Amino acid sequence: GESVGLHLPTLSVQEGDNSIINCAYSNSASDYFIWYKQESGKGPQFIIDIRSNMDKRQGQRVTVLLNKTVKHLSLQIAATQPGDSAVYFCADLPGGSYIPTFGRGTSLIVHP
Amino acid sequence: EAGVTQFPSHSVIEKGQTVTLRCDPISGHDNLYWYRRVMGKEIKFLLHFVKESKQDESGMPNNRFLAERTGGTYSTLKVQPAELEDSGVYFCASSPLGGGGGYTFGSGTRLTVV
Repeated sequence: GESVGLHLPTLSVQEGDNSIINCAYSNSASDYFIWYKQESGKGPQFIIDIRSNMDKRQGQRVTVLLNKTVKHLSLQIAATQPGDSAVYFCADLPGGSYIPTFGRGTSLIVHP
Repeated sequence: EAGVTQFPSHSVIEKGQTVTLRCDPISGHDNLYWYRRVMGKEIKFLLHFVKESKQDESGMPNNRFLAERTGGTYSTLKVQPAELEDSGVYFCASSPLGGGGGYTFGSGTRLTVV
């Protein structure tokens, strides 16, 4: 079946660097995408979302880019901080669906 | 407002025993979802309630899993009898009717079957 997957399971960066976490999706009907951050012992927390009619959306220190042509989205974190260390998941929803489909997640490790 | 609450936070049971997980969604959220994450793998969908009705239970692994949502409020997920492969973190999420985002997750229940 179709699923959301990630290119890298672990990403290590130095504090202050920019981080880029990638995600590939396969469902061409997906029109809504969400990035979640999961810290140890907590549930996934919403970071930022984007709809398919956009190719970029910015939040505070985070930017999501969507490339529908190659079914790829990325999460960019500027000036990464130790508190950003967590597992990051992308999720997609096909049009008309209320059920986010998650990928495996990328573990972001920020070194002081 | 209170978030999504899950109980217990941890549960260790022996193979063959029964465990019941509980989820209290955000008040007023008609959509309730159960997900499971097995160590190192993706967060997999189990089922979706709209109010008290099961809208989609295509992710339920087998008939050892039973979910209910009494009166459209809190939900329970019972595993009977538990097997070793049922170990993982079970997440509950809720969202308002109409979708479009607003999914809020609980902290999860870590289930270990030994």
